[in-house]
Amino acid sequence: QVQLQESGPGLVKPSGTLSLTCAVSGGYITSINWWSWVRQPPGRGLEWIGEIYQTGTTNYNPSLMSRVTMSVDKSKNQFSLKLTSVTAADTAVYYCARNVEPAFQFDHWGQGALVTVSS
Amino acid sequence: QSVLTQPPSVSGAPGQRVTISCTGSRSNIGAGYDVHWYQQFPGTAPKLLIYGNNNRPSGVPDRFSGSKSGTSASLAITGLQAEDEADYYCQSFDGRLRIFGTGTKVTVL
Repeated sequence: QVQLQESGPGLVKPSGTLSLTCAVSGGYITSINWWSWVRQPPGRGLEWIGEIYQTGTTNYNPSLMSRVTMSVDKSKNQFSLKLTSVTAADTAVYYCARNVEPAFQFDHWGQGALVTVSS
Repeated sequence: QSVLTQPPSVSGAPGQRVTISCTGSRSNIGAGYDVHWYQQFPGTAPKLLIYGNNNRPSGVPDRFSGSKSGTSASLAITGLQAEDEADYYCQSFDGRLRIFGTGTKVTVL
């Protein structure tokens, strides 16, 4: 059973960079799947941030594209998210998830990591 | 940003049937992209409930079913149970990005 676990600082200062890592266990990040980040502001709905394939190919939400970078570390079986120039609007629970072909549904999710942007 | 529109809330008594609509457009659901549904309890991660419009992952009760027609999709819960009280989200693709519905809170009366 594939498991995903987010890790990273829970507090980031405004204008700083949010950095999160998602460790994958029970499966290989080199399998034929895409790996995504999804966020959920407190009390609100879900927003897809972007996805990455094992080759490093990425697709980003156009609304966040200028601030987002995703990467994959095959040796550690994990993938990462960086979001620059953060503001209070970026405060959210950040989930990593696996999306599987061919329909690309998110079939496995991490437990989520709350990141608060505040000085 | 493209979104899928859902009713904010639906409610029903135990044993009843409730449906949640997910209204999109010609650029997403209407373009033929699959619709998936997720169930989320407070403080927990979403869980895949329906994938590919009408398929249930292993372990999901058959009282949950999905359908799709034109630019919309629906999730039906038949034989509503107290444990079904949660938030539900639809999800699809819009050519460049994966999009979620606005979310629906299901209340069991």
